[in-house]
Amino acid sequence: DAGVTQSPTHLIKTRGQHVTLRCSPISGHKSVSWYQQVLGQGPQFIFQYYEKEERGRGNFPDRFSARQFPNYSSELNVNALLLGDSALYLCASSLWGGPLHFGNGTRLTVT
Amino acid sequence: QQQVKQSPQSLIVQKGGISIINCAYENTAFDYFPWYQQFPGKGPALLIAIRPDVSEKKEGRFTISFNKSAKQFSLHIMDSQPGDSATYFCAASIGTSGSRLTFGEGTQLTVNP
Repeated sequence: DAGVTQSPTHLIKTRGQHVTLRCSPISGHKSVSWYQQVLGQGPQFIFQYYEKEERGRGNFPDRFSARQFPNYSSELNVNALLLGDSALYLCASSLWGGPLHFGNGTRLTVT
Repeated sequence: QQQVKQSPQSLIVQKGGISIINCAYENTAFDYFPWYQQFPGKGPALLIAIRPDVSEKKEGRFTISFNKSAKQFSLHIMDSQPGDSATYFCAASIGTSGSRLTFGEGTQLTVNP
């Protein structure tokens, strides 16, 4: 079975630009969560979506937004990129109430 | 606010030895405590998890010990192997195990052959 897939794997953007990251969950998983992992730190929760509705939001500015599509895939959007947004962005999927299964992430570098 | 504190930051163990990683939490509402293993270039993978109604859970060489009164839990890796060399994260959440996880800062484990 395919795991959680994320695209792209690497991305380089300039300050002030916009970025869209994509995630396809494990088949049958309706919950998708996004985490930011800064180098040398643990992942930090950004959003959780279930059945296309936002079910949780972490302590991130409004520049961060996300959505979930009818096929349960998801996008994370970040506007007005800052140098501090450079990080590994992880997507995780799960059955509702089940453990999280993470993808390998998108490495975003903001220059 | 750091709600889950993890130690040590790094750990070097000889092959066959026991690796011990500790975590302490602040929020008494946490009721699900997983450990994740992360290799370079990969996402975290669930290793083992525990709920506070038990004090210990063992899966193969991996054991979680949980002390509710002290608000602490730890991961023990028995007979550590070079292939166990990775970064380990403890985490905690409230309610369902699929809900928002609060992670510790990670422990980089190196197992020497």
